[in-house]
Amino acid sequence: KAGVTQTPRYLIKTRGQQVTLSCSPISGHRSVSWYQQTPGQGLQFLFEYFSETQRNKGNFPGRFSGRQFSNSRSEMNVSTLELGDSALYLCASSLWGPSGGSSYNSPLHFGNGTRLTVT
Amino acid sequence: QQPVQSPQAVILREGEDAVINCSSSKALYSVHWYRQKHGEAPVFLMILLKGGEQKGHDKISASFNEKKQQSSLYLTASQLSYSGTYFCGSHSGNTPLVFGKGTRLSVIA
Repeated sequence: KAGVTQTPRYLIKTRGQQVTLSCSPISGHRSVSWYQQTPGQGLQFLFEYFSETQRNKGNFPGRFSGRQFSNSRSEMNVSTLELGDSALYLCASSLWGPSGGSSYNSPLHFGNGTRLTVT
Repeated sequence: QQPVQSPQAVILREGEDAVINCSSSKALYSVHWYRQKHGEAPVFLMILLKGGEQKGHDKISASFNEKKQQSSLYLTASQLSYSGTYFCGSHSGNTPLVFGKGTRLSVIA
């Protein structure tokens, strides 16, 4: 089975621009979560989607948004980029739902991330 | 709320043991453990469920004390391949998985 695929791997953007990151989950996985990773802060939760519905949202400004499509692929968008948005953005999928257990007992499978640099 | 991990970093010689602790201020349904090697994605190690048993994975095992809202990861007879950053993630009810800041483990020969 193919793993979680994130595109692009690297992005360099200028302050004020916007960016869209893409995530394709493992086949059959209906849940997608996004995390921001920066040195010293660990993995900060951004969003969690299940069957096209946002289940949870982290404590990030409204400039951060996301969505999930009917094929479970997900995108996240950051508008009006700031220098502090430079980070590794990780997407993770998991198999949970009526046939796949619950969110709390389903492992997350991470993609290799998108490294965003804002200059 | 983010769980708290300790220590922040540890250096071991091959063959030594280590314990990484994870504590939460909220009641926990489950605790996840992941390891991330430099430049790679985090990789799942194990899940401990409320009311569940201690888990093991080769020479890495973990425990979950629900009353104290704590989990510990035990690395026995460490190998060079154990080097990386270990993250615990906690689940409380219908909340998403929230991770601690990580513990950097370095195993030297």
